[in-house]
Amino acid sequence: DARVTQTPRHKVTEMGQEVTMRCQPILGHNTVFWYRQTMMQGLELLAYFRNRAPLDDSGMPKDRFSAEMPDATLATLKIQPSEPRDSAVYFCASGLVLLASGSYNEQFFGPGTRLTVL
Amino acid sequence: KNEVEQSPQNLTAQEGEFITINCSYSVGISALHWLQQHPGGGIVSLFMLSSGKKKHGRLIATINIQEKHSSLHITASHPRDSAVYICAVRSATSGSRLTFGEGTQLTVNP
Repeated sequence: DARVTQTPRHKVTEMGQEVTMRCQPILGHNTVFWYRQTMMQGLELLAYFRNRAPLDDSGMPKDRFSAEMPDATLATLKIQPSEPRDSAVYFCASGLVLLASGSYNEQFFGPGTRLTVL
Repeated sequence: KNEVEQSPQNLTAQEGEFITINCSYSVGISALHWLQQHPGGGIVSLFMLSSGKKKHGRLIATINIQEKHSSLHITASHPRDSAVYICAVRSATSGSRLTFGEGTQLTVNP
């Protein structure tokens, strides 16, 4: 059955290292979201894409975070350099927006990447 | 004040009880989502609604747009319903961006 996949599921790294997280959205979905979840802040949106173009990345620290969609089947979130405060679970979600009608379906979440920066 | 507020923050119930979780929001919205996060961390979308009421099995979600309020009800609760329930809204002006409540931790005891 169709689902969002994320890799890696767990990542432990040292401060200063580059971290790349990958997401494969559900085939046919045209909107991809990156969220971060921490105990202190809960779930927060980092960035989202429509048809591979970034629509909103205002939630993302620009100096160290970057998000891209090299193609329709892959979204990446990169942190360089990583810091201990980046430790969190990073979720990718995908959905379908029908642009002609503006209708919008639910978001389907991936299993998350649990990042620990030492 | 958060844009999305949920109550209660924590809820403990006995198996079989009827459960209600509330969500209030302060902005005009185009849709409201109820999500369930399992103890293992996975997030599942339960409902997306913009008016009225939706029902899936033992779960019922209602929304009152005028009062900016939504409720999630669970009938005949079961220990497997134990999870965090999160309300999220898509504001009328924010495109697809969701703003999340802090979640309600539900524990259903056998």
